[in-house]
Amino acid sequence: GAGVSQSPSNKVTEKGKDVELRCDPISGHTALYWYRQSLGQGLEFLIYFQGNSAPDKSGLPSDRFSAERTGGSVSTLTIQRTQQEDSAVYLCASSFLGDNSPLHFGNGTRLTVT
Amino acid sequence: KNEVEQSPQNLTAQEGEFITINCSYSVGISALHWLQQHPGGGIVSLFMLSSGKKKHGRLIATINIQEKHSSLHITASHPRDSAVYICAPRVGGGADGLTFGKGTHLIIQP
Repeated sequence: GAGVSQSPSNKVTEKGKDVELRCDPISGHTALYWYRQSLGQGLEFLIYFQGNSAPDKSGLPSDRFSAERTGGSVSTLTIQRTQQEDSAVYLCASSFLGDNSPLHFGNGTRLTVT
Repeated sequence: KNEVEQSPQNLTAQEGEFITINCSYSVGISALHWLQQHPGGGIVSLFMLSSGKKKHGRLIATINIQEKHSSLHITASHPRDSAVYICAPRVGGGADGLTFGKGTHLIIQP
């Protein structure tokens, strides 16, 4: 079956521009996570959606970052007024409800801010 | 906060060697994930375990809950096993219950 799909796979943008990154989770997965991985670094949690609950935004690094999840499915991560330090791979993962459900990751969006 | 340490950080081995990657964490957990990340960024979940041992092909994962330690073993290693291996213990529910190690960068030379 289809896995987690992210688009675009690569995005190059100029400093100061806004970008939108999209994640299509596996159908039926109620939990959706956004992570960021900077070059040579580990995974950094950004935001978490679980069903209809209020999202856990505790990992968002600044108010330039926001995310929404429409209809409990597709999610969009928006970065406003991009900065060079935003350059990273942005990864989305989804899972079924439950602490011990396996995570399924997308291939990520590589964002480069010039 | 769960402190996660992986060792080694980098490992280069010859094809056919038996590989062990270790993961230690600081607090009690409900489960632990082992993930594989190939060059290019895609991450694949290899195992999720909460006790004992799991085996999938040439990969074996073990966990000792009392000692707060898990290992990932690769038997008869192959160049296609070259990747970053990440352990991620889960303490509880929600996103902040999941902590990621910095990964072990494995290179298998032919």
